[in-house]
Amino acid sequence: DVKVTQSSRYLVKRTGEKVFLECVQDMDHENMFWYRQDPGLGLRLIYFSYDVKMKEKGDIPEGYSVSREKKERFSLILESASTNQTSMYLCASSFPTSGTSTDTQYFGPGTRLTVL
Amino acid sequence: RKEVEQDPGPFNVPEGATVAFNCTYSNSASQSFFWYRQDCRKEPKLLMSVYSSGNEDGRFTAQLNRASQYISLLIRDSKLSDSATYLCVVNRRSNDYKLSFGAGTTVTVRA
Repeated sequence: DVKVTQSSRYLVKRTGEKVFLECVQDMDHENMFWYRQDPGLGLRLIYFSYDVKMKEKGDIPEGYSVSREKKERFSLILESASTNQTSMYLCASSFPTSGTSTDTQYFGPGTRLTVL
Repeated sequence: RKEVEQDPGPFNVPEGATVAFNCTYSNSASQSFFWYRQDCRKEPKLLMSVYSSGNEDGRFTAQLNRASQYISLLIRDSKLSDSATYLCVVNRRSNDYKLSFGAGTTVTVRA
């Protein structure tokens, strides 16, 4: 079974703090993703990485950065947390696309971040 | 306009009923289509892929209408365990591993 783990289930931080969210997958997937999920908005892509040290911005990268130093680990960094970054953060991983199919994304359990 | 739109529901149905709902997508270049299931306070998990000819997986049937750009999910003989939010998911273009997610349709099955 694919396993994607995230460092914390719940996190409370103060405005202006630097926040690190960690994600680890054990299936040797090339692709990794960070999303945030807010009521009524669905999952929105923040950043993704298709290889070690490779990253691309998603739809809402402002206020976030990422790091992928090892294949199995993808970190999301909030440089200076703000209250509008209070959300559920979900990490996912997948194999690279094969042919015309898009491979399944496997999600971690999520981190519910509250910024006060 | 959102890339994927869904009726949020909730759809409240009795056990044993059939429930069906759709989603629409705006990107005609999308080539891969999925339904994910998300239980309360849990992560999304793949329920089924959706193929052009339509496909079934047990009590679940998915249909794709490319001309009208909508996808449907039908659940037969609903079980209490089917209570969840169902996310409609499409890829952004052929061979693209980036996905667009709908906000979800909530289904509640009552005894």
